[in-house]
Amino acid sequence: GAGVSQSPSNKVTEKGKDVELRCDPISGHTALYWYRQRLGQGLEFLIYFQGNSAPDKSGLPSDRFSAERTGESVSTLTIQRTQQEDSAVYLCASSLVASAIAEYFGPGTRLTVT
Amino acid sequence: TQLLEQSPQFLSIQEGENLTVYCNSSSVFSSLQWYRQEPGEGPVLLVTVVTGGEVKKLKRLTFQFGDARKDSSLHITAAQPGDTGLYLCAGDSGNTGKLIFGQGTTLQVKP
Repeated sequence: GAGVSQSPSNKVTEKGKDVELRCDPISGHTALYWYRQRLGQGLEFLIYFQGNSAPDKSGLPSDRFSAERTGESVSTLTIQRTQQEDSAVYLCASSLVASAIAEYFGPGTRLTVT
Repeated sequence: TQLLEQSPQFLSIQEGENLTVYCNSSSVFSSLQWYRQEPGEGPVLLVTVVTGGEVKKLKRLTFQFGDARKDSSLHITAAQPGDTGLYLCAGDSGNTGKLIFGQGTTLQVKP
């Protein structure tokens, strides 16, 4: 595809439910990143995938958060037992080479927990 | 904990004015990125600076990395309404895959 795509674009869920967010990176991009952006704030690192290496999960805020990536393709971010403080825009990015620099961001998934 | 402080948080100016946004830290970064984000979209990477004292120009935008690689600035000359958006700086802490973001500067340029 032309860019990083994310789905759904918006998700409203009830507190306590599980949600799954999807990211399709640019084809051939080795590195994939998930960030979270709360209203009016900068981005908060969540997790980084680099090829077949073990992912850097150091930014996941609790064990309710998990993410997977199949090879160098799609990634899913799962939040179990959602809480109101999980409400934010979840952004995915990909880069051609493995580094800290997130080159291309998707449009994000706006998650609202009621 | 590494932090990046951006200032100002909000800036509203008239078309044609100049402005500077600052990004400061007490930590040294391997590189520093500037992004621009519009409502409902993801950030768009504008520039990466890696060398202390480096200056990069992108049309009317000038980016500078501090000599000690702890701070950076973005200067816009003759701002246009199309420059309106959220400007974010982000530093590479040296930990693979992780960028430290500032809280952003919201710029509004009025015609």
